[in-house]
Amino acid sequence: AQSVSQHNHHVILSEAASLELGCNYSYGGTVNLFWYVQYPGQHLQLLLKYFSGDPLVKGIKGFEAEFIKSKFSFNLRKPSVQWSDTAEYFCAVRPGGSQGNLIFGKGTKLSVKP
Amino acid sequence: DTGVSQNPRHKITKRGQNVTFRCDPISEHNRLYWYRQTLGQGPEFLTYFQNEAQLEKSRLLSDRFSAERPKGSFSTLEIQRTEQGDSAMYLCASSLPDLRVRYRVGAEAFFGQGTRLTVV
Repeated sequence: AQSVSQHNHHVILSEAASLELGCNYSYGGTVNLFWYVQYPGQHLQLLLKYFSGDPLVKGIKGFEAEFIKSKFSFNLRKPSVQWSDTAEYFCAVRPGGSQGNLIFGKGTKLSVKP
Repeated sequence: DTGVSQNPRHKITKRGQNVTFRCDPISEHNRLYWYRQTLGQGPEFLTYFQNEAQLEKSRLLSDRFSAERPKGSFSTLEIQRTEQGDSAMYLCASSLPDLRVRYRVGAEAFFGQGTRLTVV
């Protein structure tokens, strides 16, 4: 079955530290890839997405992610986190590209200490 | 607010009762999705509409669950004979058609705030 794995359940960082959250998926064909963020008490919001082209995609708030097809990975990065980045981060995959539903990982909770 | 709207935000019900949730997508979004999220998990897909047609249903959607989108705009999700295991956050999302083929761009899903169901 298709699945998305997020390796870290909870990450704790100090402000200005660098962030990398892992995401791997199991699907051999075309995929669309997404990172969503959920701030406390708020709805899921899109951080960035990959459909095709340059495998390094930039999103909002200084986040970026790199699609490595050979590794079935789409890791999220930010060079310097802020306290306001405290949230839960979800990786999602849409197999087949153009139709249907998103498959989400279990999420990674990020806590940034001021 | 022109985002995806879900009502009610919270619902507490007794086991065995029926509940219905409503989702109003962003206008002109012809795709509408329902997801369920339990504590410590990511959203799990339930079902998906394109206009009024229900195109896909997850195995998670037992026969106690039914979703409709009669006019291709708002959608309802009904759970009959609720069980404690139905307690979860029910999320609705909407999106434009995927224009990737024609314009080489893609459509992302926009999520509502969710309806939190507690079955006691």
